[in-house]
Amino acid sequence: GQNIDQPTEMTATEGAIVQINCTYQTSGFNGLFWYQQHAGEAPTFLSYNVLDGLEEKGRFSSFLSRSKGYSYLLLKELQMKDSASYLCAAMDSNYQLIWGAGTKLIIKP
Amino acid sequence: GAVVSQHPSWVICKSGTSVKIECRSLDFQATTMFWYRQFPKQSLMLMATSNEGSKATYEQGVEKDKFLINHASLTLSTLTVTSAHPEDSSFYICSAILSGWTQLAGGPEETQYFGPGTRLLVL
Repeated sequence: GQNIDQPTEMTATEGAIVQINCTYQTSGFNGLFWYQQHAGEAPTFLSYNVLDGLEEKGRFSSFLSRSKGYSYLLLKELQMKDSASYLCAAMDSNYQLIWGAGTKLIIKP
Repeated sequence: GAVVSQHPSWVICKSGTSVKIECRSLDFQATTMFWYRQFPKQSLMLMATSNEGSKATYEQGVEKDKFLINHASLTLSTLTVTSAHPEDSSFYICSAILSGWTQLAGGPEETQYFGPGTRLLVL
């Protein structure tokens, strides 16, 4: 079956670095998405990886290893506003999204 | 975990026809479901909030007469794109809210579960 796993909750300190991991099993693969969702708001697109490697966008970076079915989202210089849920979603061969349950990131001063 | 399904996965239709997309919560009841639209590599755009037993709440700029939403039961919401045009071609995603009580939170907590999406292509 198709499955996405990511930690339920993580806690980090303001100014620090945090890595949110995501493992996936899908029928075929057409890329992996990361979204940020604040409570009561729609998910905001953060990144899309389809090739192996690290993609950096400012304070956020996303890594993909297709052979391992693994991705991570790296957040640097954490700010209080980064407190949110982070959703990992893989796209299968039918271009359907398989969603993770989301990781709730709590930032402490 | 909770599962949300959408049907169909893909739909191709002619301009001027209507298309119905179903969103189902498979193992829980959801009084609230959301409908989103997504363009490639962009954030999900909230179209409307679907409430069981009452009218949907549409976001600003979304035509309620064009995008008909019916939340017929606690496990089913439908989005009908009426008189579809090529510009309606998009990826439509629904989500359902699972409400519960958690000891960790010490009170009620809501979790949003997303469907796999429906790709609509209007020719």
